[in-house]
Amino acid sequence: AQKITQTQPGMFVQEKEAVTLDCTYDTSDPSYGLFWYKQPSSGEMIFLIYQGSYDQQNATEGRYSLNFQKARKSANLVISASQLGDSAMYFCAMREVGNQFYFGTGTSLTVIP
Amino acid sequence: NAGVMQNPRHLVRRRGQEARLRCSPMKGHSHVYWYRQLPEEGLKFMVYLQKENIIDESGMPKERFSAEFPKEGPSILRIQQVVRGDSAAYFCASSPPRVLQETQYFGPGTRLLVL
Repeated sequence: AQKITQTQPGMFVQEKEAVTLDCTYDTSDPSYGLFWYKQPSSGEMIFLIYQGSYDQQNATEGRYSLNFQKARKSANLVISASQLGDSAMYFCAMREVGNQFYFGTGTSLTVIP
Repeated sequence: NAGVMQNPRHLVRRRGQEARLRCSPMKGHSHVYWYRQLPEEGLKFMVYLQKENIIDESGMPKERFSAEFPKEGPSILRIQQVVRGDSAAYFCASSPPRVLQETQYFGPGTRLLVL
C-alpha cells in the first residue's frame, strides 16, 4: 500500500485565491511527522511546513497551513492568497519513527494571473 | 552552517561508463537519503544510510547501483555501466537522527545525462 497518496497530478488557481492540495497517508505508528515540500522549476526542494501526529493544532507558516485530520489520515496543504511564485511541484511526505521518509508523487500547481 | 552539498551538479556519461555522485550532509547529520527523480515525476526513494551502515536499500535497483556512507567523507551513489534510462536528477537529503519533527534537508541535486 502507498504510504503517501497525492491524488491531484495538476491544479490551477487564480492569483490571490486560496488552494488546497490533498494528501492522505497510511501508517500504523502512533508517532509520525508530516511534511510538505515545494519544488520550483529550478529544481531545488524547499521545506514548507511540518505537522506532528500529536500536535493538537494545525500547523501554520505564513501563507501555508496544514489541514490535519488525523482520523481521516489526511494532511492537506492550504496556500492562501496565491502568488505567481507559488507555481511549482508540491510534495507531501511522512516520517516514521524508524527515520524513513515517504514521499507522494506530487501535485503540480499553476497560478494563473 | 553549510547546507547539504552535492557534486557534481551536472554529469554527462556515455552508455557503459560509471557515474559517481557525492553528497556531503549538513554538519551534525548522520542520516543520508538518496532519491531519484525522472523528468515530470516525483521523488523515488532509493536508499537510506547512516555512517558505515545501509539501513534501507529497498528502492535501489539490484544491479549496477550501490551506495555507501563511510566513516569519513561524503556519501557516494555509484552507478556502473550506465544506460540511457539512468538519466535523471539524483537528490541527496540528510537529517539528524531520531527527531521526528526534523525535516530532511535536500541538496541541489545532480543531473545525470547518459548519452
